Amino acid sequence: QQQVKQSPQSLIVQKGGISIINCAYENTAFDYFPWYQQFPGKGPALLIAIRPDVSEKKEGRFTISFNKSAKQFSLHIMDSQPGDSATYFCAASRDSGYALNFGKGTSLLVTP
Amino acid sequence: KAGVTQTPRYLIKTRGQQVTLSCSPISGHRSVSWYQQTPGQGLQFLFEYFSETQRNKGNFPGRFSGRQFSNSRSEMNVSTLELGDSALYLCASSLILAGLNNEQFFGPGTRLTVL
Repeated sequence: QQQVKQSPQSLIVQKGGISIINCAYENTAFDYFPWYQQFPGKGPALLIAIRPDVSEKKEGRFTISFNKSAKQFSLHIMDSQPGDSATYFCAASRDSGYALNFGKGTSLLVTP
Repeated sequence: KAGVTQTPRYLIKTRGQQVTLSCSPISGHRSVSWYQQTPGQGLQFLFEYFSETQRNKGNFPGRFSGRQFSNSRSEMNVSTLELGDSALYLCASSLILAGLNNEQFFGPGTRLTVL
């Protein structure tokens, strides 16, 4: 069964806009929540990760918001650029370096 | 520092055959994980090896197996291939040091097509 649910499946955003992708999980043993970005023909690359002891983490234009009580977390991409067009995956695991449970992915298209 | 390398990049096999995929982790990384990526099921964890021992295993049949060598290089094997095994197989390596965020670095994958 899918341990991490991700939405939306696809997203179209205009250049300069905000892209928002949401994820939800059930397993309270999860302690590490990374987001990965994947371009066609490439493996996923880590964008940003968060632990449940913080509610928000920001790195450049990328921000993770984390709601432990709701068991939800989201990725915000500010000032979205055409180069951000890729597939984004949220994931969860019981610790970093351990088996990642991935969401189904969100295909993001940023139009010029 | 060189990234994770996977060989071969592309492979075509027929049903019933077996296949071996290879992964060389980033130098110094001791953990290697394997994932299967398909359009329908997404990214699914296969297994993880640390210091030549399988530490975790996903929910895949016994036809899927792996091993890790003393230099941390890893191989995965799929026996009696089925059409549904067609997928991108991704390898990820991680340093695994206590107290650190042990990021998993992914290779480019091996695209397996089963005919």
